[in-house]
Amino acid sequence: DTGVSQDPRHKITKRGQNVTFRCDPISEHNRLYWYRQTLGQGPEFLTYFQNEAQLEKSRLLSDRFSAERPKGSFSTLEIQRTEQGDSAMYLCAMMGASGNYNEQFFGPGTRLTVL
Amino acid sequence: QKEVEQDPGPLSVPEGAIVSLNCTYSNSAFQYFMWYRQYSRKGPELLMYTYSSGNKEDGRFTAQVDKSSKYISLFIRDSQPSDSATYLCAIPTGSARQLTFGSGTQLTVLP
Repeated sequence: DTGVSQDPRHKITKRGQNVTFRCDPISEHNRLYWYRQTLGQGPEFLTYFQNEAQLEKSRLLSDRFSAERPKGSFSTLEIQRTEQGDSAMYLCAMMGASGNYNEQFFGPGTRLTVL
Repeated sequence: QKEVEQDPGPLSVPEGAIVSLNCTYSNSAFQYFMWYRQYSRKGPELLMYTYSSGNKEDGRFTAQVDKSSKYISLFIRDSQPSDSATYLCAIPTGSARQLTFGSGTQLTVLP
């Protein structure tokens, strides 16, 4: 257990529906990342928060995707008008303020299936 | 050209074998090189990371970086069935220290 929890663990939805995922971080880890992992591939970076500020977004993060981290604690990732190509594992990762790679932890992920 | 490329596998070895997992990268400016292990339906966990060139050993695992050829390797000695997992190489490539991962190599160690 890395101390990073994600909810839900699995989500099945129909194309066109909106979905929201949540990541609850380890306390005192102010760097939060979202990644997406499709079957047979490594995770791909989506977005980065330092405390409550969203400082970096990947070009993979289309306008249907939005992420928030109110108060610099938990984070949510919302996908609007889901498409079948959104089916993937969505991973949240935390890193301590020092940026030490030994202090980087991934959550268990949310597996999204879009029918 | 992808920033990080990984030998795809899958790889199947008998228990006790030495396993070699490999990646190449494109940018000679990269300095940190990581190896993650991912069990089925779990998030990746950091095995070890190296800075610049050379070797780093941790128990049965050795990470090796050859910056002249932009080649990174992970060796597993005396492999065990519990080592069966997907192994991912990763490099911090962005200003936010976000990681670019290889595609992963699925390893099965047969008892």
